[in-house]
Amino acid sequence: GEDVEQSLFLSVREGDSSVINCTYTDSSSTYLYWYKQEPGAGLQLLTYIFSNMDMKQDQRLTVLLNKKDKHLSLRIADTQTGDSAIYFCAENRSQGNLIFGKGTKLSVKP
Amino acid sequence: EPEVTQTPSHQVTQMGQEVILRCVPISNHLYFYWYRQILGQKVEFLVSFYNNEISEKSEIFDDQFSVERPDGSNFTLKIRSTKLEDSAMYFCASRLLGGNTEAFFGQGTRLTVV
Repeated sequence: GEDVEQSLFLSVREGDSSVINCTYTDSSSTYLYWYKQEPGAGLQLLTYIFSNMDMKQDQRLTVLLNKKDKHLSLRIADTQTGDSAIYFCAENRSQGNLIFGKGTKLSVKP
Repeated sequence: EPEVTQTPSHQVTQMGQEVILRCVPISNHLYFYWYRQILGQKVEFLVSFYNNEISEKSEIFDDQFSVERPDGSNFTLKIRSTKLEDSAMYFCASRLLGGNTEAFFGQGTRLTVV
């Protein structure tokens, strides 16, 4: 298909790890992104990974890329209530325009 | 820290009216974009703009839409005759270069067509 797919909801307890999964479509995408959107706010770039990498770690965030399966995941360690937001996976297309998934709403329970 | 700014934050308009959404991209950026997000749905690409012309547009970006960079700092999206289904959050973004440099997004303009 043409869509970037994500599960819509994820609920975790504070302190646990969160794993948000995404499948993308274009094997020629050179960069894949994770954006965070808090209620009523814009899109904040969290992290990105270049397609020749398998993993990227940035503090509490770990991105895993399986290029063969076109699968991308975002792991948030020690999830906090402030991490509650919608997380969008996006792939890069020509001219730099991004194709977004529908977003995964992460709810963190205290 | 430089940022993309959009005005207004919320616009309400009557069906059939023209609206202009305004964006000020980061000053040294060269590539500009408009995206929209219908409530509860995904963010969708509308149009990209480089070197004073449209470089790519999606199926959504029909003849009712136009973009302009009137004065070297603003980047506007005009909807000529708004429809109810144009109600959405519209995001402007800019990049320093094309391809794989980071896109910086504005806070969005919520357009409500009544």
